[in-house]
Amino acid sequence: QVQLVESGGGLVKPGGSLRLSCAASGFTFSDYDLSWIRQAPGKGLEWVSYISSGSSYRNYADSVKGRFTISRDNAKNSLYLQMNSLRAEDTAVYYCARVRAERFDYWGQGTLVTVSS
Amino acid sequence: EIVLTQSPATLSLSPGERATLSCRASQSVSSYLAWYQQKPGQAPRLLIYDTSNRATGIPARFSGSGSGTDFTLTISSLEPEDFAVYYCQQRHNWPYTWTFGQGTKVEIK
Repeated sequence: QVQLVESGGGLVKPGGSLRLSCAASGFTFSDYDLSWIRQAPGKGLEWVSYISSGSSYRNYADSVKGRFTISRDNAKNSLYLQMNSLRAEDTAVYYCARVRAERFDYWGQGTLVTVSS
Repeated sequence: EIVLTQSPATLSLSPGERATLSCRASQSVSSYLAWYQQKPGQAPRLLIYDTSNRATGIPARFSGSGSGTDFTLTISSLEPEDFAVYYCQQRHNWPYTWTFGQGTKVEIK
């Protein structure tokens, strides 16, 4: 069965950096595009970033552009999100999700990132 | 940027009742509209894609409809496990970006 497992969240000070990982299993990882989506405490869902199956195309929400970098390693079945210059408003649960056409058909359980001094 | 507006914000219903959730887009979107269910402490789950197609394993009591700017998620008869928050979502074509509505909470009356 499809599984996505995020890791790497934690407490970081404003201006700091963090790298999230998402380990995938149960499907041919290199065949699928992927995304990161986040949810601030008590708030709705916000798409963060997208990467195509072969890493040729990447895109970011305006709120993170220039600070976050998405990448993947198809040999390791892993997705990453490098987050730099973190702000308090980046505090959220971060989900990795498999992209199928326009939708997100499988989601991980999420990892919490807290940006606070 | 297309904005998705969901209504109502909260829907108070009893088990067995019919739930009708609305998602309105600020401009016409393709049929690529999806719906998700999220329960407390859990990740969202895909319910409906391409406006009206149920995802794998989703019960038939969930249905989606609509076109243009107005879309609806209907739960024909609420089961206890259906009380949750529901989000609509659409994708903007190239460069790909995605937008979610702000959510509708279906709570037990």
